[in-house]
Amino acid sequence: AQSVTQLDSQVPVFEEAPVELRCNYSSSVSVYLFWYVQYPNQGLQLLLKYLSGSTLVKGINGFEAEFNKSQTSFHLRKPSVHISDTAEYFCAVSPPTGGYQKVTFGIGTKLQVIP
Amino acid sequence: NAGVMQNPRHLVRRRGQEARLRCSPMKGHSHVYWYRQLPEEGLKFMVYLQKENIIDESGMPKERFSAEFPKEGPSILRIQQVVRGDSAAYFCASSPGTSGSNEQFFGPGTRLTVL
Repeated sequence: AQSVTQLDSQVPVFEEAPVELRCNYSSSVSVYLFWYVQYPNQGLQLLLKYLSGSTLVKGINGFEAEFNKSQTSFHLRKPSVHISDTAEYFCAVSPPTGGYQKVTFGIGTKLQVIP
Repeated sequence: NAGVMQNPRHLVRRRGQEARLRCSPMKGHSHVYWYRQLPEEGLKFMVYLQKENIIDESGMPKERFSAEFPKEGPSILRIQQVVRGDSAAYFCASSPGTSGSNEQFFGPGTRLTVL
């Protein structure tokens, strides 16, 4: 079984400040990892994903995440946030094999960027 | 190339009525997933379908809820005799179904309000 923990339900941060959204996972096998963003009243949009290879993954809108296998973490970071980054962010995990593998989502972290 | 489409975007029903939510996957995608999002509870998996087959319905309530993905036409999530607790945002996602990254592409959601 796999699970995802997003420790922070809400993260307020001032505009142009750096931010880190934390994600830890548990799984008995290797995993694929994802971060999705949900803007108000919209569906989820993929920010970035880790499948294999380099542990530092760069995504859209200046976000990046680092896969740390020993700490079973996949924290999302941005060096300087904008007002437009205000949204809810979901970490997700799935087993790496093809075909149907259920994707498990965390409960989300609401990022509030303060002007 | 249209993305995942859901309709209606907003649906209001009175207790006891039926709700039908439709999802058209991205072109070329044969796998559909339904999720429910309740305030402060994150995204909960409901059901996974391929054309004419339910693959995993482990997240579906045992009563009143059903889903289908016919050979022709959209996937339908049906809720009979709705109750106030069914008020939520319902998201559909699709994926190609071939071995790959397990990335899912989300629709904009249907927001169901039960009066």
